[in-house]
Amino acid sequence: DTGVSQDPRHKITKRGQNVTFRCDPISEHNRLYWYRQTLGQGPEFLTYFQNEAQLEKSRLLSDRFSAERPKGSFSTLEIQRTEQGDSAMYLCASQGAVGTEAFFGQGTRLTVV
Amino acid sequence: GEDVEQSLFLSVREGDSSVINCTYTDSSSTYLYWYKQEPGAGLQLLTYIFSNMDMKQDQRLTVLLNKKDKHLSLRIADTQTGDSAIYFCAVTNQAGTALIFGKGTTLSVSS
Repeated sequence: DTGVSQDPRHKITKRGQNVTFRCDPISEHNRLYWYRQTLGQGPEFLTYFQNEAQLEKSRLLSDRFSAERPKGSFSTLEIQRTEQGDSAMYLCASQGAVGTEAFFGQGTRLTVV
Repeated sequence: GEDVEQSLFLSVREGDSSVINCTYTDSSSTYLYWYKQEPGAGLQLLTYIFSNMDMKQDQRLTVLLNKKDKHLSLRIADTQTGDSAIYFCAVTNQAGTALIFGKGTTLSVSS
């Protein structure tokens, strides 16, 4: 297993377009998280899945954001009608159980122009 | 909600010890973590401590936890230039469903 992988690594999009990111967690991990990190800040929690169930969403996750994990394996994060303020690094992490290490992917850097 | 605070910068000379401090607000946090992020790279877990411990040592790293003061520190002994990075303190939220991160401390090591 090569760890958590995210695709694409970089995405440049025009304001108003929709974008979708993918995260492939470590295969036996049932917990999956999405975070957003802007320059000079720590990662901010967006949402959490346990298997296919989305159990928690941050108030940062506006109506334009939607995340899915249809079969409890990979996850997608979609941003509709992107805004310049959405420009950030989007990080995915997976974890086997509470208290164990949460492994982070390399992230997807989104630039909205 | 949970808040995690860290000092933003620390500068040390190679060979000295570095101490990075963190304070948090939620006393119910059960796991407390230190992550390292190098430029252009992802987050790497350095170490973590369970809330019923007050110290954990792992080679050059020592974590100290003061639950009463909600204070966590990371000491790096014999700091090397390769330790230059941003260090994030993170704690579990009350529900145990997310990690709440500080803004990170940029450690600069000069030779």
